Amino acid sequence: DAGITQSPRHKVTETGTPVTLRCHQTENHRYMYWYRQDPGHGLRLIHYSYGVKDTDKGEVSDGYSVSRSKTEDFLLTLESATSSQTSVYFCAISESQGETQYFGPGTRLLVL
Amino acid sequence: QKEVEQNSGPLSVPEGAIASLNCTYSDRGSQSFFWYRQYSGKSPELIMFIYSNGDKEDGRFTAQLNKASQYVSLLIRDSQPSDSATYLCAVNSGGYQKVTFGTGTKLQVIP
Repeated sequence: DAGITQSPRHKVTETGTPVTLRCHQTENHRYMYWYRQDPGHGLRLIHYSYGVKDTDKGEVSDGYSVSRSKTEDFLLTLESATSSQTSVYFCAISESQGETQYFGPGTRLLVL
Repeated sequence: QKEVEQNSGPLSVPEGAIASLNCTYSDRGSQSFFWYRQYSGKSPELIMFIYSNGDKEDGRFTAQLNKASQYVSLLIRDSQPSDSATYLCAVNSGGYQKVTFGTGTKLQVIP
């Protein structure tokens, strides 16, 4: 299995609070991604990174920000959590463009 | 029109039968195609990838790609109850590494 961890694995928070999810990899892969998975929508890309300090938006980036200060860490921040951001969040990594993406174990987030 | 479409299922097959999972995509410029398996409550895991037209076999799994018709399929031979999961099709449309996932087909293998 690819060396990817996510923390926390489960989180319950209240509307309006900031939340930060962490993805950590030990594979030294250049590309890192954040997805959310919701019933009926499948996996949707939030943000991705193609190197340290290099990030870009995905299709559902509103309300989310990311940072990557080290190759191994990719942080996803919900600036002010809303109930619509209740979801399962997956981090993924890939070695290069077009290559296979490997997924972390996921974080279940519940926003009350 | 969704970029990657899959029948949500559930697709039920008896143990030992061939399961056939299909996926269509809209971008003719798509270059890479992936099949992931996702057990309930778990993360997606790669089963196979295919880049060229034709068939690619790996054990009990065969991926089939037809770029002219814009579909990719996954065949699972000798289906086992442990194959019961949701299967996600993913398509790389090139550009900035954009990979689009289908919503998945739920497969149930009946003992």
